[in-house]
Amino acid sequence: GDSVTQMEGPVTLSEEAFLTINCTYTATGYPSLFWYVQYPGEGLQLLLKATKADDKGSNKGFEATYRKETTSFHLEKGSVQVSDSAVYFCALRNTGANSKLTFGKGITLSVRP
Amino acid sequence: KAGVTQTPRYLIKTRGQQVTLSCSPISGHRSVSWYQQTPGQGLQFLFEYFSETQRNKGNFPGRFSGRQFSNSRSEMNVSTLELGDSALYLCASSFLAGGSQETQYFGPGTRLLVL
Repeated sequence: GDSVTQMEGPVTLSEEAFLTINCTYTATGYPSLFWYVQYPGEGLQLLLKATKADDKGSNKGFEATYRKETTSFHLEKGSVQVSDSAVYFCALRNTGANSKLTFGKGITLSVRP
Repeated sequence: KAGVTQTPRYLIKTRGQQVTLSCSPISGHRSVSWYQQTPGQGLQFLFEYFSETQRNKGNFPGRFSGRQFSNSRSEMNVSTLELGDSALYLCASSFLAGGSQETQYFGPGTRLLVL
């Protein structure tokens, strides 16, 4: 079945540092890929998405490129802020009867001033 | 446009009781999905409804059930609660069902504690 693997956490960075969070996936067909963010005590917010190979999703300074050849969708940001501290989830959504979101385990990011 | 709303936000129950959670999707969205989030198992899919029909179901026991009404609002029910049912229950809505490109928008969740 479909699966998503995220790098182990937590991750602690200083403000203005460069961020990379790795995500790889296993899926049949042509899934769409998503990054969601969860702030403490809240639900999930869509951060960005990509629906086909080589697409780049971007939002709020975050970027991720759908790499079919490496089955990856790594999240990057050039300069993190304290307000980026949250839990980040990589997810995929396949087509048809199996169209549920499949999530990675999530990674906690803490940004120090 | 208002987002996905879930009620109640917090709930405390005891083992053996049953509970009903409610979700109102974004206006115009006809698909509603439910997920369970726990520290140990992460985010797991419960079920998806579209036009009052269950389209997809995750690997949960029959104690977990749901339904969708004609106005697309959805409820999920858990009967005979167990301690392990303590979790954050998230509802997500999308315009259509079955399309991989459809984004699911999440509500704030209902946090259930079973004592």
